[in-house]
Amino acid sequence: DQQVKQNSPSLSVQEGRISILNCDYTNSMFDYFLWYKKYPAEGPTFLISISSIKDKNEDGRFTVFLNKSAKHLSLHIVPSQPGDSAVYFCAASASTNAGKSTFGDGTTLTVKP
Amino acid sequence: EAGVAQSPRYKIIEKRQSVAFWCNPISGHATLYWYQQILGQGPKLLIQFQNNGVVDDSQLPKDRFSAERLKGVDSTLKIQPAKLEDSAVYLCASSLRHLNSPLHFGNGTRLTVT
Repeated sequence: DQQVKQNSPSLSVQEGRISILNCDYTNSMFDYFLWYKKYPAEGPTFLISISSIKDKNEDGRFTVFLNKSAKHLSLHIVPSQPGDSAVYFCAASASTNAGKSTFGDGTTLTVKP
Repeated sequence: EAGVAQSPRYKIIEKRQSVAFWCNPISGHATLYWYQQILGQGPKLLIQFQNNGVVDDSQLPKDRFSAERLKGVDSTLKIQPAKLEDSAVYLCASSLRHLNSPLHFGNGTRLTVT
């Protein structure tokens, strides 16, 4: 059973517009959520995180929203830039499970100039 | 700050052969992880160390995979014997602490088993 799901394998947006990447989870014990960005031939790099005690966290052009009742989180990128083109992974962890991170399968974002 | 170092970058072996991967985490990071990433999927945790002790190895195929972290710093992951389905990128990551701390990944080792 996949506990973290990213249902859109790919997303294409125009430069300057908003990119919205979605993630759903099933395990109610998850209490910390992260987004990672991955370029080809490199390891994932941390982008932004949110604790379950919050519903929004913002860092520059990146904002993560958490809806605990729907077990859903989203990453907003505004404005999108061509350099944002990458694979984005959603990850979740539970403090009751030693912080072990479970990843989704990723969404490939393409930002067109 | 130097990042997580992994070697080799690429490895091609035949099935039933053995292979080993090496990881040097960021200095001071107590927690070290090995993930397996199959093409088109997200990273899947194989094993998690806290210093030199194993925290979670529930997803490690122990009949063929082994890992150690001697002295709580470097780590090696071994596969013996390899199967075709082991073809994947093996990612090492480290974090400052095991709770609510982002992972810092190395660039991975791409393993191809023929």
